[in-house]
Amino acid sequence: EPEVTQTPSHQVTQMGQEVILRCVPISNHLYFYWYRQILGQKVEFLVSFYNNEISEKSEIFDDQFSVERPDGSNFTLKIRSTKLEDSAMYFCASTGQGITGAYEQYFGPGTRLTVT
Amino acid sequence: AQSVSQHNHHVILSEAASLELGCNYSYGGTVNLFWYVQYPGQHLQLLLKYFSGDPLVKGIKGFEAEFIKSKFSFNLRKPSVQWSDTAEYLCAVNARGNNRLAFGKGNQVVVIP
Repeated sequence: EPEVTQTPSHQVTQMGQEVILRCVPISNHLYFYWYRQILGQKVEFLVSFYNNEISEKSEIFDDQFSVERPDGSNFTLKIRSTKLEDSAMYFCASTGQGITGAYEQYFGPGTRLTVT
Repeated sequence: AQSVSQHNHHVILSEAASLELGCNYSYGGTVNLFWYVQYPGQHLQLLLKYFSGDPLVKGIKGFEAEFIKSKFSFNLRKPSVQWSDTAEYLCAVNARGNNRLAFGKGNQVVVIP
């Protein structure tokens, strides 16, 4: 069964450094998402991406964040200058269709980001 | 924006007991509703979803959920749990026509053999 994959599984970085989290969505999917979960809190939506552009972003997704689909298979989340409060589990998800929102989002295993 | 509430974050029960997890959402418009499950060491995966039709939906592994529009609820049930149902269960909602999922805080369910 096709799966969403994410690398690395765990990333440790120092405050102020740039990090890139990588995701490979399911190959025929068209809609891509990033979510995050700070320890002990809810899973929160960050951004959705369709047709090579951001379709929606949350209040969390400020200028420090960016997303890209550089090569038709990878989907990346970049944090330009990490802060302590960016420490969280970051989940990538994808779905094949999205017009009604009624379709299952397939989640990757997550990348645990630790900012020291 | 939608918000989702789940209570009783930690649930411990014995095999063969019945399970019911509550989920309430706040949003005035039409919604799609989901229950996701995360087994230890695995991805989040979909248990079941509701977007229209029969408000009682059946999912994988014997789970079902009932959408009660008047109560803004989408409670998950399983009549007889097994040890393998030990997992975290997350309720999620999105507004019709929008893919942005809002999650509840989750229920950590432990089933004792």
